[in-house]
Amino acid sequence: KNEVEQSPQNLTAQEGEFITINCSYSVGISALHWLQQHPGGGIVSLFMLSSGKKKHGRLIATINIQEKHSSLHITASHPRDSAVYICAARADDMRFGAGTRLTVKP
Amino acid sequence: ETGVTQTPRHLVMGMTNKKSLKCEQHLGHNAMYWYKQSAKKPLELMFVYNFKEQTENNSVPSRFSPECPNSSHLFLHLHTLQPEDSALYLCASSQDRDRRYTFGSGTRLTVV
Repeated sequence: KNEVEQSPQNLTAQEGEFITINCSYSVGISALHWLQQHPGGGIVSLFMLSSGKKKHGRLIATINIQEKHSSLHITASHPRDSAVYICAARADDMRFGAGTRLTVKP
Repeated sequence: ETGVTQTPRHLVMGMTNKKSLKCEQHLGHNAMYWYKQSAKKPLELMFVYNFKEQTENNSVPSRFSPECPNSSHLFLHLHTLQPEDSALYLCASSQDRDRRYTFGSGTRLTVV
């Protein structure tokens, strides 16, 4: 069992929908990262958080340390949000989830 | 462009070849990383360099040999690879290990 579990594995949404991607981890962490990987392979770091909530544009990331759970929300989703979203937990090293493939249809 | 540049973007090599992947960052970061991403698998950490010193080698086979001549450059030397080594190899950097990572676009490697 992976130490970092993401759900769902695949997600298809209509443009404008509110999206939630979940991440649960089983190790003690110093920080949790949300990454976005586009089809070409390049990865962009979206958030790094160790408590509470962060917001950047239409993206919101939350973390509950006690429950070892984090969520990534996308409001008013758009086709350009289509990508793989990866959760990574920073323990003694980085532990990665398998990713959630999001497809937003126009 | 993220600030971390990887070359080449694509590489096809035979099992007896020797090639090198290059990563360069001018973000002033002191930590650099090599990751491997195989199809349908999570990212796997391969090597970590902090201030040019290798601080982690995540049980990587010796056919992968990293080199970090300075804080801005990181190489991954490849020799006698196997077809199962075909993957996307990603370089990343950060200012200290607990800061946000900046990733390169990756080198897609195919071993034939």
